[in-house]
Amino acid sequence: DTAVSQTPKYLVTQMGNDKSIKCEQNLGHDTMYWYKQDSKKFLKIMFSYNNKELIINETVPNRFSPKSPDKAHLNLHINSLELGDSAVYFCASSLVVLPGGNSPLHFGNGTRLTVT
Amino acid sequence: GQQLNQSPQSMFIQEGEDVSMNCTSSSIFNTWLWYKQDPGEGPVLLIALYKAGELTSNGRLTAQFGITRKDSFLNISASIPSDVGIYFCAGTLGETSGSRLTFGEGTQLTVNP
Repeated sequence: DTAVSQTPKYLVTQMGNDKSIKCEQNLGHDTMYWYKQDSKKFLKIMFSYNNKELIINETVPNRFSPKSPDKAHLNLHINSLELGDSAVYFCASSLVVLPGGNSPLHFGNGTRLTVT
Repeated sequence: GQQLNQSPQSMFIQEGEDVSMNCTSSSIFNTWLWYKQDPGEGPVLLIALYKAGELTSNGRLTAQFGITRKDSFLNISASIPSDVGIYFCAGTLGETSGSRLTFGEGTQLTVNP
C-alpha cells in the first residue's frame, strides 16, 4: 500500500552513463515533483508536473529530463552523468498544484545516486 | 532563490528534555510546514500552519506561525529516542499555480537514552 514509490532505491553508475529513476503514486494526486537532497541534506525542487503538464522547471541542467506518461507517474532521466549529480533524489506528490497543509507533499523514500 | 534560515543545525539532548528549533525568512510566507525525515526515508509532514499567530499541536509537538509571517518555531516536549531525525521547516510564498515549497536547511536531532 505504498503511497509514493520510486525505483531503484540505490543507483551506482559511472560518469557519462545515462540512467532513469521511476516514480509512481497511488494517491490519486494531480501533482508530482522531483527534489534533490545534497550531502548537506538540503532539499531543492527540480521539477513539478500537474496532470502531466510541466509547471515548475528550476535551474537544472538540461541533462535532466522528466517525463510524465500519466498523472500517476513521473520519471526522471539523466544523461551524461557527472560526479556532482551524486545525491538523493526524492519523488513527491500532492493532491493539487499548491503545496501546503491542505495539500501536503507526500514523499517517496528516495533514490541514492552515486556517480563514480 | 528564496531560502529559509533554520537553527540550530544540530542538537544533542538527553531523553526527556524539551527541544526548540526555529526558522526565519526575509520574505513573508503564506504557509509554514514542519517535516521530519528518518534515515533512509523521505520527509513526513508533522504540522501545517496557515495563519499568522496560529499555534498548533500534534501530540508532544507544538508549532507556531510567527505574527510577522517571517518565522516559525517547533517545540518537542519530553523527547524520546524515536524523535531522532532531521526536522525541516518549509513554506510557500504564494498561492498561484506553481507555488514552490521552500525548505530550510534542517535540524539534526540526536536523543541520548
